[in-house]
Amino acid sequence: AQSVTQLGSHVSVSEGALVLLRCNYSSSVPPYLFWYVQYPNQGLQLLLKYTSAATLVKGINGFEAEFKKSETSFHLTKPSAHMSDAAEYFCAVINTGGFKTIFGAGTRLFVKA
Amino acid sequence: SQTIHQWPATLVQPVGSPLSLECTVEGTSNPNLYWYRQAAGRGLQLLFYSVGIGQISSEVPQNLSASRPQDRQFILSSKKLLLSDSGFYLCAWSEAGSTDTQYFGPGTRLTVL
Repeated sequence: AQSVTQLGSHVSVSEGALVLLRCNYSSSVPPYLFWYVQYPNQGLQLLLKYTSAATLVKGINGFEAEFKKSETSFHLTKPSAHMSDAAEYFCAVINTGGFKTIFGAGTRLFVKA
Repeated sequence: SQTIHQWPATLVQPVGSPLSLECTVEGTSNPNLYWYRQAAGRGLQLLFYSVGIGQISSEVPQNLSASRPQDRQFILSSKKLLLSDSGFYLCAWSEAGSTDTQYFGPGTRLTVL
């Protein structure tokens, strides 16, 4: 069975600092991996996705993620945090042979002025 | 372009009352449809998914049910609400035949008192 683990339910950074949100996955086959962002009281919005093309994936709002098969990781980064990046971020993987996306528990990002 | 609607946006219901949440998608045909619940401070829990009219798969046994009376309409129901049904309910869709990106609606905040 596939699974996703997000390390750290809360991450706090200063404005202008590096953002690093960690995600590790478990999958018996090459996975599709996603990062979604959720602003308060809103639905989820796709940030970026990995579908077996380039291992470094660039998304919206300056975010990017690198697929590392040897580490089974798909960490999300942004060089310089903005106040508007404060939100909850979800890593996700598609399960094998089905129609279900498995979501991590989420990481809430706080950005300090 | 495709859009997804959910209503109502917020709902306060007494314990034991019925529930009906509606989700509609525009601009696509035969989408895969999903219902998720997000409890306070927790991740997303997949409740139901549907790959076609009248085809519903349940992920979690509980007092909720789902129906898909039309191609782009997905309804979440309950005959008698429990306190534990409180949460943020999200509808999502993905392209027919694809397990790729999911697109989320704005959500319904349900409070059961």
